[in-house]
Amino acid sequence: GAVVSQHPSRVICKSGTSVKIECRSLDFQATTMFWYRQFPKQSLMLMATSNEGSKATYEQGVEKDKFLINHASLTLSTLTVTSAHPEDSSFYICSATWGGGEQFFGPGTRLTVL
Amino acid sequence: QQQVKQSPQSLIVQKGGISIINCAYENTAFDYFPWYQQFPGKGPALLIAIRPDVSEKKEGRFTISFNKSAKQFSLHIMDSQPGDSATYFCAVGDSGGYQKVTFGTGTKLQVIP
Repeated sequence: GAVVSQHPSRVICKSGTSVKIECRSLDFQATTMFWYRQFPKQSLMLMATSNEGSKATYEQGVEKDKFLINHASLTLSTLTVTSAHPEDSSFYICSATWGGGEQFFGPGTRLTVL
Repeated sequence: QQQVKQSPQSLIVQKGGISIINCAYENTAFDYFPWYQQFPGKGPALLIAIRPDVSEKKEGRFTISFNKSAKQFSLHIMDSQPGDSATYFCAVGDSGGYQKVTFGTGTKLQVIP
């Protein structure tokens, strides 16, 4: 299957700082990338959908000014958590797809905000 | 509003037994029904998926049963192995949304020797 990577795999930051998470499709061109958040022992909640070259579509209740998403190329999307706070600590997972097909998920990024 | 309900929340099965996880949905517009497997600290991986034009799909030890009229679908894991111990999520999606999917609440499966 297709491979999606995320970097970093885990990050610890101080409250008030910004953190950038990268999602890359390694062997295919992703027309659409999705960003999810997963709290411990809970399900994946979709945060936003991003299509290459256009603005991301955010799910209801997700602050677009806090979670900045950039899908600058067909192989890279970034999620920036701005002014992070302890309640933003979570497992962030991206997925990528092309042509509306199967989603391939990244390994996730564990964010801890102190 | 929960778009897909999954049960049970947790499941313990003996090695060699059958694991069964169930999901129910409301919106008849959904036409894509995948199951994902997630190990601790990892992203989910697609296990098997079904479209509403068939009632069953089998891949190896994994089978999806789909009941369109009841709006329910289930995952059966035959000959369950300790390596199957993971969290399983059903999901629903519609092809009109770039395969955007909504996940169920998850089932933690433990297969004991």
